Amino acid sequence: DGGITQSPKYLFRKEGQNVTLSCEQNLNHDAMYWYRQDPGQGLRLIYYSQIVNDFQKGDIAEGYSVSREKKESFPLTVTSAQKNPTAFYLCASKPTSGRAGNEQFFGPGTRLTVL
Amino acid sequence: GEDVEQSLFLSVREGDSSVINCTYTDSSSTYLYWYKQEPGAGLQLLTYIFSNMDMKQDQRLTVLLNKKDKHLSLRIADTQTGDSAIYFCAEILGGGYNKLIFGAGTRLAVHP
Repeated sequence: DGGITQSPKYLFRKEGQNVTLSCEQNLNHDAMYWYRQDPGQGLRLIYYSQIVNDFQKGDIAEGYSVSREKKESFPLTVTSAQKNPTAFYLCASKPTSGRAGNEQFFGPGTRLTVL
Repeated sequence: GEDVEQSLFLSVREGDSSVINCTYTDSSSTYLYWYKQEPGAGLQLLTYIFSNMDMKQDQRLTVLLNKKDKHLSLRIADTQTGDSAIYFCAEILGGGYNKLIFGAGTRLAVHP
């Protein structure tokens, strides 16, 4: 089945540690996105990538880093510089052409808790 | 600026219609979306409407768009308990990477 997978589903981190969240898609989509969701708020864009080996900062990139070495993978690292990392993290992908609506497809999310 | 606003909570009786409202700010948005999020899950696209349309119907879902007032609504007919979820309105901005701006989400509670 085609889709987007995120792992792990739940992640616990001690303060001061870096942690990497996985996002993989087999939809052959060029563009991929990372969002952060906090209670009572909409999704906020952290980073996005339109093509392999290229990525751009979103609205809240501080304390995060990404890489895009392969088309199907877009891992997100939450660094110790991120002051309030506890949140629900959502990955999405989008085809760059050929589909009406330009919709983004979302993974199931990773809930990160800092202890 | 970029802003999408929604009321945070809606409670309806099973079998009634639900109407979730949204206002947006960017008049140049080409598409407007409704996403559904069930507890602990990712977002699922419910429907979208192109900016040159006034209405779109898809089974129990009806989307109405008032471009003059920048107002979007989602009507769910015959609301069921399985419709209980958070519903997000989103607009798409251009500029090369098609940035999505989300509202805070409306939590729909369906009771017997």
